[in-house]
Amino acid sequence: QKEVEQNSGPLSVPEGAIASLNCTYSDRGSQSFFWYRQYSGKSPELIMFIYSNGDKEDGRFTAQLNKASQYVSLLIRDSQPSDSATYLCAVAGYSSASKIIFGSGTRLSIRP
Amino acid sequence: DADVTQTPRNRITKTGKRIMLECSQTKGHDRMYWYRQDPGLGLRLIYYSFDVKDINKGEISDGYSVSRQAQAKFSLSLESAIPNQTALYFCATSDTGGRDTGELFFGEGSRLTVL
Repeated sequence: QKEVEQNSGPLSVPEGAIASLNCTYSDRGSQSFFWYRQYSGKSPELIMFIYSNGDKEDGRFTAQLNKASQYVSLLIRDSQPSDSATYLCAVAGYSSASKIIFGSGTRLSIRP
Repeated sequence: DADVTQTPRNRITKTGKRIMLECSQTKGHDRMYWYRQDPGLGLRLIYYSFDVKDINKGEISDGYSVSRQAQAKFSLSLESAIPNQTALYFCATSDTGGRDTGELFFGEGSRLTVL
């Protein structure tokens, strides 16, 4: 079983709608959770991180974490064509020696 | 200039050749990582280093070796390249780890093709 799992997509969402991206992880000791966005041919860039159960909002983005279910999600409100990209979920443990493991990514396409 | 610089950006080589990918950073970060990216597989961790004297294997270290020559430099070597090592390789840095795991800062990637 892969440590971090995502649906590869593609996920197609109409412009202005809410895009919902999901991620599950296998290590119950995981403590830090990240969402990276990667445009085609570019490097990943961090868009959200979350450590505590619940929701964290930043502009149009909301990260949701449920440690009991080992589930983390990213909601994108008012989706724009510029949101079309691959979204990578990443997970790290509590220890200062923790490595950062990525999921396979979900390709999101926003249709006008 | 980029904060995390990878060289070469593109390389085509033949099976059995030794290849080195180099990464240097000006961010002053202690932690450096090498990932490879294949279509549909996301980023997979090859090796990571938390300081000059600390090197750790990641998810897929077989066939690779690394050298942390200085705080700012972290090189990835393929001693005898094989075609299934054809991929896009990313170097990344971070400032901290664990609970305070900081953002990963990525280089622009090195595209390696092994014929």
